[in-house]
Amino acid sequence: NAGVTQTPKFRILKIGQSMTLQCAQDMNHNYMYWYRQDPGMGLKLIYYSVGAGITDKGEVPNGYNVSRSTTEDFPLRLELAAPSQTSVYFCASSLDSGEFFGPGTRLTVL
Amino acid sequence: RKEVEQDPGPFNVPEGATVAFNCTYSNSASQSFFWYRQDCRKEPKLLMSVYSSGNEDGRFTAQLNRASQYISLLIRDSKLSDSATYLCGGDTGNQFYFGTGTSLTVIP
Repeated sequence: NAGVTQTPKFRILKIGQSMTLQCAQDMNHNYMYWYRQDPGMGLKLIYYSVGAGITDKGEVPNGYNVSRSTTEDFPLRLELAAPSQTSVYFCASSLDSGEFFGPGTRLTVL
Repeated sequence: RKEVEQDPGPFNVPEGATVAFNCTYSNSASQSFFWYRQDCRKEPKLLMSVYSSGNEDGRFTAQLNRASQYISLLIRDSKLSDSATYLCGGDTGNQFYFGTGTSLTVIP
């Protein structure tokens, strides 16, 4: 199993640009999550999904959107990038206990 | 109020020492608890799950105290390779929440 994969690994955006962070898992996990982690800070939940077709807001959803059309994929969309969205983004999945994280996407908005 | 409070450290300990980290949580509905290890510029990795009375895995022991609403992680005989940030986390059933992490450096 590849586990949780994320693309791209790094990205620089200009203010106002849009992009989609890709996340996929091959473990048949129902639950998937998107977090952001700022330097020296903990993980903040952006959005999560309990299964295909179902998504819910987390702690910091503003400026982001998600979709869950399949069990495997959970893309995160930034429509109008802002400097405050500069962060490391982690996707994670779980079945019933404990989360497995992807390697992260480092995003810089200039 | 944060869901979980964690001492950020840093903890600097000599090789071979025993070190303990604690996390306190506020949501009494939390069902499961976990410890994660995060290396610099890497993703968090699940270290141990903590259920009811605790869990032991080699040099690592995790304990849960529901009455006082805290979990702990004990590392015995610290190795240089244990240097990392340790995050505690909890599960309310459909959402996970994490502490900000405790930094550990094991010194030769």
